[in-house]
Amino acid sequence: GDSVTQMEGPVTLSEEAFLTINCTYTATGYPSLFWYVQYPGEGLQLLLKATKADDKGSNKGFEATYRKETTSFHLEKGSVQVSDSAVYFCALTSGGSNYKLTFGKGTLLTVNP
Amino acid sequence: KAGVTQTPRYLIKTRGQQVTLSCSPISGHRSVSWYQQTPGQGLQFLFEYFSETQRNKGNFPGRFSGRQFSNSRSEMNVSTLELGDSALYLCASSDGWNEAFFGQGTRLTVV
Repeated sequence: GDSVTQMEGPVTLSEEAFLTINCTYTATGYPSLFWYVQYPGEGLQLLLKATKADDKGSNKGFEATYRKETTSFHLEKGSVQVSDSAVYFCALTSGGSNYKLTFGKGTLLTVNP
Repeated sequence: KAGVTQTPRYLIKTRGQQVTLSCSPISGHRSVSWYQQTPGQGLQFLFEYFSETQRNKGNFPGRFSGRQFSNSRSEMNVSTLELGDSALYLCASSDGWNEAFFGQGTRLTVV
């Protein structure tokens, strides 16, 4: 079945540091890939997405590129802020007529001033 | 456009009781999915409904059930509650093919 593996962290960075959170996947067919973010006490917010190979999703300074050859979708940001502190989830859906998201375990990011 | 609304936000129940959670999707969305989030298991898919039909179901016991109404609102029910059912239950709304938008969740505590 489908699965997502991401670095579990926690990751602690200083403000303005470079961020990478690794994500690899196993799926049948051609999945769509997502990064969601969860702030304390909140639900999940969609951060970015990519629906086909070589697509780059981007939002709020975060980027991730759909790499089919390495089955990866790593999240990056050039300069993190304290407000980026949250849990980040990599996810996929293999789509079709059944909409089901498969999530990684989540990565807790803490950014210190 | 209003987002996904889940009620109630918090619940405390006793073992053996049953509970019903509600989810109102984004207007126009016909797909509603439910997920259970726990520290140990992470985010696990419960089921998805599209136009009142269950299209997909996760690997949960029959105590977990759901339904969707003609206005796309959905409810999930958990019967004979166990301590291990304590979790954050998240509802997601989509048009069935594109990205899902999540509600803030219902925090269920079983004592």
